[in-house]
Order: sequence, then C-alpha cells, then structure tokens
Amino acid sequence: DAGITQSPRHKVTETGTPVTLRCHQTENHRYMYWYRQDPGHGLRLIHYSYGVKDTDKGEVSDGYSVSRSKTEDFLLTLESATSSQTSVYFCAISVYNEQFFGPGTRLTVL
Amino acid sequence: DQQVKQNSPSLSVQEGRISILNCDYTNSMFDYFLWYKKYPAEGPTFLISISSIKDKNEDGRFTVFLNKSAKHLSLHIVPSQPGDSAVYFCAASAKGGDAGKSTFGDGTTLTVKP
Repeated sequence: DAGITQSPRHKVTETGTPVTLRCHQTENHRYMYWYRQDPGHGLRLIHYSYGVKDTDKGEVSDGYSVSRSKTEDFLLTLESATSSQTSVYFCAISVYNEQFFGPGTRLTVL
Repeated sequence: DQQVKQNSPSLSVQEGRISILNCDYTNSMFDYFLWYKKYPAEGPTFLISISSIKDKNEDGRFTVFLNKSAKHLSLHIVPSQPGDSAVYFCAASAKGGDAGKSTFGDGTTLTVKP
C-alpha cells in the first residue's frame, strides 16, 4: 500500500462544467501520474509530475490540466468537461521501476 | 499504431491448470516490461516485471518469459486459482525512460473456473 487516495471516488457532472480530481499520497514520492482507463482499453497517460511545480503532458493531455503545489497532492482539472471524458481516472506514483495506483475515480459527464 | 498489444481480450481456464497470457510489442526501444493485475473497482497492482537483459523471471506461481527477437512476452500462472480471475495488463517502458510512463496494452480478462 503506497498510501494513495483519490477523491472523489465517483462523480457525475454535466457537459461544460469544470471538474477537479484530487490525488493524495502520504509517502513523499516525487513522481506522480494521472491515467484514464476506458472499457476494453489499457491505461493512457494524461499528465505526470516529477516534483512540485514540475509537470508535463502525456499522450492524451488535450482538455486536461494539472497542478502540483505540494509534494503530496496532484490535481487533475477538466476545464470544461465533455462526454468523451467519461472514464475511470487513476492516479499513480512510481518507485524505482514499479507503479502503485490509487483506487480510481469514476467520472461520468452527461 | 498500438505499440503494446494483448491480442486475447479474454481467457478462461480451469482451476489448477496453467494460464498463459500473451503480449506483443513493436517498439525496439522498450527494455523493461511489467504485468499488472486489476480487480473490478480497484486500481491496478504490480505483479511481476522483467528487464530486457533477462529472458525469464519467476515469482512464486507467476513467471514472465521474454522473447526479444519476436518482441513477445508471456505471463504464466501455475497453478491457476479462482482468485487469479482479474484483468491483466502488460506494460512496457523505453531505455533510460521513466517506468511510470509505460505504455499499456488493452488487457486480458482471465477467468479461472473452480
């Protein structure tokens, strides 16, 4: 258990509204990641961070932004949610060559 | 172009038998490979990994084989147990890269029948 929590665990929102998902870790890990997982698909990297205020884009970053003002928190924001962003979102940290994932947030955009 | 492929969306085996899950990759820069297991409503959990300098890594009932010339790896579970029923993801990362930026396959759903 890498001490990763995600909030909220479930959210239903409407198209066009802003949404922020939070990832919190308790073990001071530098590297943090946001993924999305869609049915029948693997995990796709949205954004990642190598430290406070050090973030970069992954393969599916369009429509998403992130912030990391503290080591323990990595926030994912959908500025204006769309139905194509309905997905399960996983936060992860990496330790050496392994990743540890949070429990996920199921987001539905109506 | 999908760089990591798991061509079997699902696999069903009998308890006690061997489960073999396959994964193919296309990027020659990949040099570290991982398998993750995922239960419903949970995040993926790391299962086993292998570096490209090896062709086999074993951990209890789980063994991963790597065939670099064929760009193919497989996960063997022996003996299979009902608790192994889950989605298994293959992932790969590039030389000198961050394993946290691995490329994932689409997953194979394993069902182990009692």
